[in-house]
Amino acid sequence: GENVEQHPSTLSVQEGDSAVIKCTYSDSASNYFPWYKQELGKRPQLIIDIRSNVGEKKDQRIAVTLNKTAKHFSLHITETQPEDSAVYFCAASIRSTGNQFYFGTGTSLTVIP
Amino acid sequence: KAGVTQTPRYLIKTRGQQVTLSCSPISGHRSVSWYQQTPGQGLQFLFEYFSETQRNKGNFPGRFSGRQFSNSRSEMNVSTLELGDSALYLCASSQTSSGETQYFGPGTRLLVL
Repeated sequence: GENVEQHPSTLSVQEGDSAVIKCTYSDSASNYFPWYKQELGKRPQLIIDIRSNVGEKKDQRIAVTLNKTAKHFSLHITETQPEDSAVYFCAASIRSTGNQFYFGTGTSLTVIP
Repeated sequence: KAGVTQTPRYLIKTRGQQVTLSCSPISGHRSVSWYQQTPGQGLQFLFEYFSETQRNKGNFPGRFSGRQFSNSRSEMNVSTLELGDSALYLCASSQTSSGETQYFGPGTRLLVL
């Protein structure tokens, strides 16, 4: 089955700096890659996603890049703010096989004011 | 629309007992997936139900089972509870079973003593 690895496990940045979280996947058939943000005690919430026919997607301060050849994708957060502090999870799935998502182990991001 | 709801929110059980958790998806959503979240393992896929049929199953023992009703509400059952089953159990709903956006519920926190 698919295996998703996520790095780093913890990340601290100064407010205003950028944060980058990287994930690799093993199954070349994976074609949908969402990112979720989970604040302490709350449910995971989708923040951005990318499909395999797109190399990059941006939504305000958040962007995701995908390199299908290398089988890795990254989350970029620019101009970080304290409210960005949370655990971020990447995931991968093969759309044709349904909603079986494989998640990375999470990155705990702390934005220092 | 109302979001995904899960009941109960908290449960304390003892080893050997069984437990049933419930998930009500967003209205109109026909796919419900279940995940186990633990600090060490992250989010691990249990199973997905779509139109009352199990579409996918993760690598969990047979003690973990589920079902879906005609109104798309889903239940998962864990029999013969073990200490290691202590976790946050999250369900997520999607409109279809084609690897698209999943919306998570708040989770049920299960503690096995």
